[in-house]
Amino acid sequence: GESVGLHLPTLSVQEGDNSIINCAYSNSASDYFIWYKQESGKGPQFIIDIRSNMDKRQGQRVTVLLNKTVKHLSLQIAATQPGDSAVYFCAENRGPNGGATNKLIFGTGTLLAVQP
Amino acid sequence: EAQVTQNPRYLITVTGKKLTVTCSQNMNHEYMSWYRQDPGLGLRQIYYSMNVEVTDKGDVPEGYKVSRKEKRNFPLILESPSPNQTSLYFCASSTRGGFTEAFFGQGTRLTVV
Repeated sequence: GESVGLHLPTLSVQEGDNSIINCAYSNSASDYFIWYKQESGKGPQFIIDIRSNMDKRQGQRVTVLLNKTVKHLSLQIAATQPGDSAVYFCAENRGPNGGATNKLIFGTGTLLAVQP
Repeated sequence: EAQVTQNPRYLITVTGKKLTVTCSQNMNHEYMSWYRQDPGLGLRQIYYSMNVEVTDKGDVPEGYKVSRKEKRNFPLILESPSPNQTSLYFCASSTRGGFTEAFFGQGTRLTVV
């Protein structure tokens, strides 16, 4: 498959443990924050998003937390499985004056390695 | 099956030879976008389109052109490719502005020599 990046930050977890992937963002005016998962050789896949007026949102086995005070976003994956092994990207929907736009700014990604 | 299809998947070309990477989606999405992915830099937005005949620049549009003549297609055109455009390219579509819940294609690995 295609290599999506070299020297990515790596989080190594045991199967069944919970994973927490962190992301710092820069623009306090960003309206949406989004997590994407990218498996080797594939395009990114949407996981979950959160609006700036929320601080927590839950999906199936995933939770996203948003701390606007310190501009920090995290993705929590419960009971991590081998199929969760991938590169995880946070992205912010950033407009020059706040509000939703069609410009999406991605972080550089974190590699999640799940050990059986 | 809902999908975004890019062609070709792999392309090696020479500097200055015009090329087009096609992108097609079958979900009737209004929003489409192109990204390039480079090691250590993540994905960077090249161009996006909000609907037919409506396009706008992303963060790295230099050296690229796009067109949106039909809703389903959003080709990426490199009029005169250069080696610094060697990259992995992704097309995405979404029914929502902001490209949240976007569907991505499988990627096109372009090498310009």
